[in-house]
Amino acid sequence: DVKVTQSSRYLVKRTGEKVFLECVQDMDHENMFWYRQDPGLGLRLIYFSYDVKMKEKGDIPEGYSVSREKKERFSLILESASTNQTSMYLCASSPSKSTEAFFGQGTRLTVV
Amino acid sequence: DQQVKQNSPSLSVQEGRISILNCDYTNSMFDYFLWYKKYPAEGPTFLISISSIKDKNEDGRFTVFLNKSAKHLSLHIVPSQPGDSAVYFCAAIGNTGFQKLVFGTGTRLLVSP
Repeated sequence: DVKVTQSSRYLVKRTGEKVFLECVQDMDHENMFWYRQDPGLGLRLIYFSYDVKMKEKGDIPEGYSVSREKKERFSLILESASTNQTSMYLCASSPSKSTEAFFGQGTRLTVV
Repeated sequence: DQQVKQNSPSLSVQEGRISILNCDYTNSMFDYFLWYKKYPAEGPTFLISISSIKDKNEDGRFTVFLNKSAKHLSLHIVPSQPGDSAVYFCAAIGNTGFQKLVFGTGTRLLVSP
């Protein structure tokens, strides 16, 4: 079974804090993704990576950065958290030639 | 600009009846479509998919139909069960050489006993 694990289920952070969301997958997948889910907006792609140390901006990268130092780990960084970044964050991975992505359980982040 | 649209935010169906969830897309470069199901506080899980070279794909109670000329796809669940109550997301992948999923806004399905 593919497993995508996000380090926290729930997080509460203060405005201006630097926040790290960690994601690890155990299936040697090349592609990894970070999405956020908001009511009425669906899942929106923040960043993705198709190889170690490679990253590409998604549709809403502003205020975020990512790091992929190892194949199995993809980190999302909120440089200075703001209240409009309160959301459900979802990490996913997929093999390079596959169409199906596997998701982690999500991190519900609240910025106060 | 929403390239994948699910115009019905919610749908209520009685147990045993058919559920039909709809999805429209605007980008003609999309060539593969997927449906994901999401329960609260969990990540989405893959349900069923269809390639643009087909117009129908069936898996048990779930069937996806694709109408390329109308840029429309639908998910049929027959018979619907209370455990099907969840948010359903339609997603699409383009033929641009990278497997990046573009999601719709989701439809919340409620199946009542």
